[in-house]
Amino acid sequence: EVQLVESGGGLVQPGRSLRLSCVTSGFSFRDAAMSWVRQAPGAGLEWVGFIRSKGLGGAIEYNGAVEGRFSISRDDSGGVLYLQMNSLEEEDTGVYFCTREISHLGASDYWGRGTLVTVSA
Amino acid sequence: EVVLAQSPDTLSLSSGERATLSCRASQSVYSNFLAWYQHRPGQAPRLLIYRASTRATGIPVRFSGSGSGTDFTLTISSLEPEDSAVYYCQQRISRGTFGQGTKLEIK
Repeated sequence: EVQLVESGGGLVQPGRSLRLSCVTSGFSFRDAAMSWVRQAPGAGLEWVGFIRSKGLGGAIEYNGAVEGRFSISRDDSGGVLYLQMNSLEEEDTGVYFCTREISHLGASDYWGRGTLVTVSA
Repeated sequence: EVVLAQSPDTLSLSSGERATLSCRASQSVYSNFLAWYQHRPGQAPRLLIYRASTRATGIPVRFSGSGSGTDFTLTISSLEPEDSAVYYCQQRISRGTFGQGTKLEIK
């Protein structure tokens, strides 16, 4: 069974940093493209960024709103996806989901349940 | 950036009725890399349709997708109470974007 479990959320002050983790199981993580999607309170889904498998080049892409502040990485030996978030702003508040992306589908077929990040003084 | 506009914002229908949700892109979504998701409160989003018209594994046949280029549609042929949710379209021809969502209420 495919499982994605996010952790690392919490309350943080503006300007500070936070690192989210997504522990995966049930599939070959090293061969998978992965992404982060977030949802602000009362708002819709927003794509945050994506990392391709190392075997296909390991390319990373970001939403323009987070580029330069957020960094996605992966630990293929442990099956863990990371989201390093620096210089956090109140607008970054929301639930963060990790997903498995299937390139030839152009879609995310598995999602975690999310972890809540609250940026507030 | 590809902008996706969904309509209507809210849809209120009765069980057994047909729902038609629209997603319009600001530029052509080539290879039809357009997906639809269902999101119920407190749950993980669920992939319904990919490549505009292919049902994901385990999705009931009452869900269908159609369209190409810039205009796409999700149809739910006969609504069930559990279909109450927010539905999003998403493109992945470039940096991913989602539509703003359509909230479907079952009366």
